[in-house]
Amino acid sequence: AQSVTQLGSHVSVSEGALVLLRCNYSSSVPPYLFWYVQYPNQGLQLLLKYTTGATLVKGINGFEAEFKKSETSFHLTKPSAHMSDAAEYFCAVSGQGAQKLVFGQGTRLTINP
Amino acid sequence: DGGITQSPKYLFRKEGQNVTLSCEQNLNHDAMYWYRQDPGQGLRLIYYSQIVNDFQKGDIAEGYSVSREKKESFPLTVTSAQKNPTAFYLCASSDRDAGNTIYFGEGSWLTVV
Repeated sequence: AQSVTQLGSHVSVSEGALVLLRCNYSSSVPPYLFWYVQYPNQGLQLLLKYTTGATLVKGINGFEAEFKKSETSFHLTKPSAHMSDAAEYFCAVSGQGAQKLVFGQGTRLTINP
Repeated sequence: DGGITQSPKYLFRKEGQNVTLSCEQNLNHDAMYWYRQDPGQGLRLIYYSQIVNDFQKGDIAEGYSVSREKKESFPLTVTSAQKNPTAFYLCASSDRDAGNTIYFGEGSWLTVV
């Protein structure tokens, strides 16, 4: 079985500051890991994903995440926050097919001018 | 453009009524999904279908029904048996060739009046 824990339901950073959104997972099989972003009243958009291979994954909008098996983590980072990054972010894990995709509770990111 | 189209965007239901949310995809994906999103609770899987004329219950199927008569269509009916239907509903699809990545529609708001 898979599960996801996102640490912090709400994160606030200043414009230009580092963004760090934390995600820890548990999985009984090698995981596929995903980060999605959701803007108000919209669907989820894929930011990046890890399946196999390189553990540092680059995504859209300047985001990246690193798969750390020893820490069972897949934290999302961006070096410099923009106002347009304000949204809700979801981490998800899948180990046995997409129908088994399990989402975290989400982290709302606020950017202060 | 390829994508997933949900309609309507906003829907109001009276007590005791059934309503149907439409979901159409032109991505040629085999699998389709319905999720429910409530504030602070992440996404929960209602139903999914991996092939035409076949579907399985997800984690919260009670009070919902689906059909999959065509590859591109996966409508969701919210029945009167669903006691708390007010939520944001997200349709999604995936294909094995895309690494089981799930892609989402723009969502539909259902409100009971």
